[in-house]
Amino acid sequence: QKEVEQDPGPLSVPEGAIVSLNCTYSNSAFQYFMWYRQYSRKGPELLMYTYSSGNKEDGRFTAQVDKSSKYISLFIRDSQPSDSATYLCAMTHLANQAGTALIFGKGTTLSVSS
Amino acid sequence: DGGITQSPKYLFRKEGQNVTLSCEQNLNHDAMYWYRQDPGQGLRLIYYSQIVNDFQKGDIAEGYSVSREKKESFPLTVTSAQKNPTAFYLCASSPGISTEAFFGQGTRLTVV
Repeated sequence: QKEVEQDPGPLSVPEGAIVSLNCTYSNSAFQYFMWYRQYSRKGPELLMYTYSSGNKEDGRFTAQVDKSSKYISLFIRDSQPSDSATYLCAMTHLANQAGTALIFGKGTTLSVSS
Repeated sequence: DGGITQSPKYLFRKEGQNVTLSCEQNLNHDAMYWYRQDPGQGLRLIYYSQIVNDFQKGDIAEGYSVSREKKESFPLTVTSAQKNPTAFYLCASSPGISTEAFFGQGTRLTVV
């Protein structure tokens, strides 16, 4: 079982729809969770950063973390064509006080049609 | 403007040649990373460095080498030992390990 699982999609929605993107993970030590957006042929851009369980909202974006289920989500409200991109989840933890680099899901490709 | 600069944007290499990808950051971040991205594979960690003059292998370090002589710079050399080097290479930095990372715009390497 891979450490981080993410459905690659593609996911196609009409403009204005609510989008739900999800990742599951196997390592219960993960504490820090991130969502990145990547446009074609560009570097990933940090969207959301959360620590431990709970919700975090930023404009049209909401990140949820459920550590008991080892499940994280990103919700996009009122989706726009400019939201069309690949969304990557990433996570990490502190290990032996040295920490680790980010572990990424494979990314979900989203297409929002006008 | 603070950020991470990768160069070149596109790089072509003949088989058997070593090539070096540049990564510079002016964010004063301690940690730097190299990831490789292939279609359908997500990002895979090649090397990372928590501090100057120290670096650790990631999941796919074979055929690659790095150095960290300055805080701002973390160049990646793709050696001839790397059997399938054609990919999109991403450099990132973060204030420390286990914090959010910020990425450069990537270098697309093609072996011809």
